[in-house]
Amino acid sequence: ELKVEQNPLFLSMQEGKNYTIYCNYSTTSDRLYWYRQDPGKSLESLFVLLSNGAVKQEGRLMASLDTKARLSTLHITAAVHDLSATYFCAVDASGTYKYIFGTGTRLKVLA
Amino acid sequence: DAGVTQSPTHLIKTRGQQVTLRCSPKSGHDTVSWYQQALGQGPQFIFQYYEEEERQRGNFPDRFSGHQFPNYSSELNVNALLLGDSALYLCASSSGRTSGRDNEQFFGPGTRLTVL
Repeated sequence: ELKVEQNPLFLSMQEGKNYTIYCNYSTTSDRLYWYRQDPGKSLESLFVLLSNGAVKQEGRLMASLDTKARLSTLHITAAVHDLSATYFCAVDASGTYKYIFGTGTRLKVLA
Repeated sequence: DAGVTQSPTHLIKTRGQQVTLRCSPKSGHDTVSWYQQALGQGPQFIFQYYEEEERQRGNFPDRFSGHQFPNYSSELNVNALLLGDSALYLCASSSGRTSGRDNEQFFGPGTRLTVL
């Protein structure tokens, strides 16, 4: 059964600092998605990664995918308070039509 | 262009009751997936509907059932509610007609179900 693990689960960081969130998954997949969720809200799509070596950037966030290592990273550059949220990765296991979500990383950026 | 919509926003039920949640997919999408998100956890896949049939199902009991209508909207039904069914129920839509390479899912605002 496909498992998706994220670390860290909680992350408290100062504004202006850099950090990386890791997403490991247990079976073959070439589709990985990153979502942001604010408290009490739904999921907002951040990145869609569809192939090995894919890298996408939007503002202070950059996501990458290594399908051989079964690893995706979400890198935060010069964090700002507005980035405070919970971040989820989700894997679409090949041929199953369903997303398996990671445990989530709760990010708090301190001013 | 309307995104994914869900109703109701909030719902309070008591144990043993039945509930129906509704979802309208994003324009142009024909596939609807349902997820349950308990407080502090990631969403858990319940099932997916495509062409009015259940195409895939997660590890949820038969108390959870669904339906998809010809206009692609969908309902999630939960019978014999338990306290543990309290959660945010999310609907996501996608397109099943593409080659499937993208398969990006867009999420609705969710229905917050509280079971007392």
